[in-house]
Order: sequence, then structure tokens, then C-alpha cells
Amino acid sequence: KNEVEQSPQNLTAQEGEFITINCSYSVGISALHWLQQHPGGGIVSLFMLSSGKKKHGRLIATINIQEKHSSLHITASHPRDSAVYICAVRSVPGNQFYFGTGTSLTVIP
Amino acid sequence: ETGVTQSPTHLIKTRGQQVTLRCSSQSGHNTVSWYQQALGQGPQFIFQYYREEENGRGNFPPRFSGLQFPNYSSELNVNALELDDSALYLCASSRGLAGDEQYFGPGTRLTVT
Repeated sequence: KNEVEQSPQNLTAQEGEFITINCSYSVGISALHWLQQHPGGGIVSLFMLSSGKKKHGRLIATINIQEKHSSLHITASHPRDSAVYICAVRSVPGNQFYFGTGTSLTVIP
Repeated sequence: ETGVTQSPTHLIKTRGQQVTLRCSSQSGHNTVSWYQQALGQGPQFIFQYYREEENGRGNFPPRFSGLQFPNYSSELNVNALELDDSALYLCASSRGLAGDEQYFGPGTRLTVT
């Protein structure tokens, strides 16, 4: 069993749609990260959360510590949002990083 | 641009050889983490260095070792390369430990033949 599970694995959306990607984890954490990876490998950190909700432009991330669950929302999706979105957690104790396998998002014009 | 650089960008090695990958952290960052990402998989945590000391290690054998230098740049060394070591190796730097955002480098793609 993976410490971090993401769903869905693959997602295709029409431009303008509201998108939700889910992440569940099974370990105690100090922080949860949402990452974006484009073809070619470069990873960009979108959010780091330890509680509540954060918003950057059209992206919103929420976390429920009691339920060990986080969601990444993209409002008014655009083809440039097409990428792999990865959820990662920093565990406590132990200071390990665990990653989900990613959600591959394709936004069609 | 995250300010984190890695070298080389691509590398081909033969099974049994040794390899050293390098990472330069963003200015002001004293923590660096290394990850292995096999094709089609999510990254896996190798280890983290904080102020030149190892501060956490994933499930990787001892032939994966690292160093962090006084200027907080870092090396990942892999001995006795195996075919399964073929992957994208990513480093990420941050300003501190728990709760700090990580900035990723572009990665080094290692192919072992």
C-alpha cells in the first residue's frame, strides 16, 4: 500500500471546466505539497499546506488533517494547465517524503 | 526558473560503474533533498541534507550516498550502478526543514546500459 494515493490517474477536460484532483495519505505529516510536472521533467511547487486552504490565481488547494485528505482545484481550466500533478507529503516522525504517482491532466481547447 | 541547477543534464553509464550528480541550491537555501523518478512513476525520496548533515533517508541502499558542501551545493553518488538505476534524478532546495517550500532543479537523466 502506498503512503500517498491520488485520484484520478488520468483526467481529460474541456477548456473552461472546473477540475478537482484528490490526494489521501496514511502517515502523520508536517506538510503536504502539490507539484506540477511538465513533459521533460521540470517540477514546480504549486502549494505547501499544513492546514486550511490556499489560493494562487485559478488554483486552490485544501487540506483536511483529520481526514488525511487534500484536494487541488483548477478553476476555468486552460490547455496550458496540461501537466502531471503530484501530491507529496513530509512525514513525521521520520522526516521522509512520500509521493503520489501523479494525475495526468489534459485540457482540450 | 527556480534558481536550482543540476549537472549534467544527461548521462549514460555502464552497469557496475560509479556516477556523481551535482546540484547547486538556490541562494540562501541550506537544505537539499534528492529524488529518483523512474519513467512513468512518481518521485521517490533518496535523502535530505541540512547544513552538511544527512537529515532523513528513504529506502535506498548504501551505494547511494551524498554530500553537502559549506556553500550548500550537493552531490549524489551512486556506486555499482544497476540497470534499474536508470531514472531522472531531481534535487530540490529549501530554506529550512519542516514546512518550507522546495524549489526543484531540472533534473539529470541517467541511463545505465
